[in-house]
Amino acid sequence: QAVVTQEPSLTVSPGGTVTLTCGSSTGAVTSGHYPYWFQQKPGQAPRTLIYDTSNKHSWTPARFSGSLFGGKAALTLSGAQPEDEAEYYCLLSYSGAYVVFGGGTKLTVL
Amino acid sequence: EVQLLESGGGLVQPGGSLRVSCAASGFTFSSYAMTWVRQAPGKGLEWVSTISGSAGTTYYADSVKGRFTISRDNSKHTLYLHMNSLRAEDTAVYYCAKVDDEADVYGMDVWGQGTTVTVSS
Repeated sequence: QAVVTQEPSLTVSPGGTVTLTCGSSTGAVTSGHYPYWFQQKPGQAPRTLIYDTSNKHSWTPARFSGSLFGGKAALTLSGAQPEDEAEYYCLLSYSGAYVVFGGGTKLTVL
Repeated sequence: EVQLLESGGGLVQPGGSLRVSCAASGFTFSSYAMTWVRQAPGKGLEWVSTISGSAGTTYYADSVKGRFTISRDNSKHTLYLHMNSLRAEDTAVYYCAKVDDEADVYGMDVWGQGTTVTVSS
């Protein structure tokens, strides 16, 4: 089974920019993996931010964006806010419904 | 507004069985695949199972294959996860989630709040 890798932790200053990445043990991440990004705050259910690499839901703050970069999926936060402190998970599809979550990135806004 | 409400979690002994449910509202339930995702205490998210909108096709993670059964009752707008031969490592919060596109069986847009399953003697 594929392993999806994320940075265990990152820190960003308020108002700053940070990029979280999502890699695959099978090789480069492509649009065919349909990357998703989720935000989860302590004690809450996950919330979907980005789907199919770069698409946003109506509830996704404009400061979040998704892309592919350097063979990985990437989530960029531009203009970090204190409320963005959370765990972020990516998800890759390897064959239809067979999907794998990354281990998560704990983002600190400090 | 799309809403998902899980129920049925609780304490069960190793080797026991449990069924958790997810009541859906706010969308055409039968048109969308549905997914279960779990999260062990202090750990990350793990995909468990997905079922197509018609219930004709089911998918399982290797860790639960042969022990868990996903099903749905489209007339009741309810998703189920029947869990047998439970192990300590199945202890987790179980989330149901709606697949975001009618044509897909992967990905999620809306999540429920989760129900806690604890496997312990």
